[in-house]
Amino acid sequence: GESVGLHLPTLSVQEGDNSIINCAYSNSASDYFIWYKQESGKGPQFIIDIRSNMDKRQGQRVTVLLNKTVKHLSLQIAATQPGDSAVYFCAENIEGTASKLTFGTGTRLQVTL
Amino acid sequence: KAGVTQTPRYLIKTRGQQVTLSCSPISGHRSVSWYQQTPGQGLQFLFEYFSETQRNKGNFPGRFSGRQFSNSRSEMNVSTLELGDSALYLCASSLGDRGYEKLFFGSGTQLSVL
Repeated sequence: GESVGLHLPTLSVQEGDNSIINCAYSNSASDYFIWYKQESGKGPQFIIDIRSNMDKRQGQRVTVLLNKTVKHLSLQIAATQPGDSAVYFCAENIEGTASKLTFGTGTRLQVTL
Repeated sequence: KAGVTQTPRYLIKTRGQQVTLSCSPISGHRSVSWYQQTPGQGLQFLFEYFSETQRNKGNFPGRFSGRQFSNSRSEMNVSTLELGDSALYLCASSLGDRGYEKLFFGSGTQLSVL
């Protein structure tokens, strides 16, 4: 699954609301999944990860859900803040391939006041 | 703890030239990987170095090469530059010694090929 995309899907959310960003991954052999946040002019920043033996993992204001049956991943951000505005990428990895991540196309999150 | 440092931040080259990008990983991290980011193709894995050896490689032509030094610092080289090589080149470091790697990215080098 190479990531291809000329146009980033955009999710517009009001400040204080919850955000849900979805991702379909490509490789059924993938067993490690990560969400990254990328702000303008910066590199991707790690948000949260989950292994394939889990369905859900929670962090601070973020929750990742994994549905292996349909190869779907989602990131939920609670009480979205203006500082959450960024592009969000999901990435998949196969154990043993170390740093060889396959990234999704990304979703732009816009937080409106 | 200092993050991943990439130099230079911006670079302008012309077709046919070669370029070398540098990456200093987080202290204690032994793995350095490189990614190319373009609007059209997104983030794509180039290669990974661990203990001075290339451990994984993506699907890029041989014009793209890299190396890692004994202090884990890494360089990436692109020879015979093409217009399509214009991109943000990101370096990421990780501990490198476990099956699931949490990557920490630098801010990247923005390369423009004219």
